[in-house]
Amino acid sequence: EDQLVESGGGLVQPGGSLRLSCAASGFTISTYSLTWVRQAPGKGLEWISFINSLSSTTYYADSVRGRFTISRDNAKNSLYLQMNNLRDEDTAVYYCARVNTAAIYFDSWGQGTLVTVSS
Amino acid sequence: DIQLTQSPSTLSAFVGDRVTITCRASQSLSSWLAWYQQKPGKAPKLLIYKASSLESGVPSRFSGSGSGTEFTLTISSLQPDDFGSYYCQHYSDYPWTFGQGTKVEIK
Repeated sequence: EDQLVESGGGLVQPGGSLRLSCAASGFTISTYSLTWVRQAPGKGLEWISFINSLSSTTYYADSVRGRFTISRDNAKNSLYLQMNNLRDEDTAVYYCARVNTAAIYFDSWGQGTLVTVSS
Repeated sequence: DIQLTQSPSTLSAFVGDRVTITCRASQSLSSWLAWYQQKPGKAPKLLIYKASSLESGVPSRFSGSGSGTEFTLTISSLQPDDFGSYYCQHYSDYPWTFGQGTKVEIK
């Protein structure tokens, strides 16, 4: 069974940093683009970052560009999100998701990891 | 950026009812639209892609239609397990955005 498992969430102060990880099992990530989507408490889904299979192309939402960095290690079958200069409004559940090979919709999701930014 | 507007924001229906959720786009998407279901405390689940293609394993009571700027997700006969929130997502161009969601409640 294809599975994605996020880790690394927690409580961090405003201005702090956190690195999220997403470990894949049941499939090899090297042939897939991957993405991060977040959901603030009680709110809807917000796409925030994308990386293609070779790490040659990355995209970011305006809300995180310049503060967050997406990366991957195909040898470790893992995806990462380095989050710097965190703000209160970054508080959310962060999901990693697999991008379908045919088009940019998300066909497999992790269970999410909660990031809380608060002093 | 392309904006997606879903309606209604909340709906309440009986088991067996036909339910329709609409997603309107601020510009044409062709058929590059997906629908997701999210249960409380759980990750989203892909239901429909390319506006009307049913993801493998999704019950046939779910269907999608539309093209251009107006799309619908229909549940032909609402079941107790269909409660939750539903989101549309476009993939016409970067940035890929979601609608604000529709919460479905069972009466």
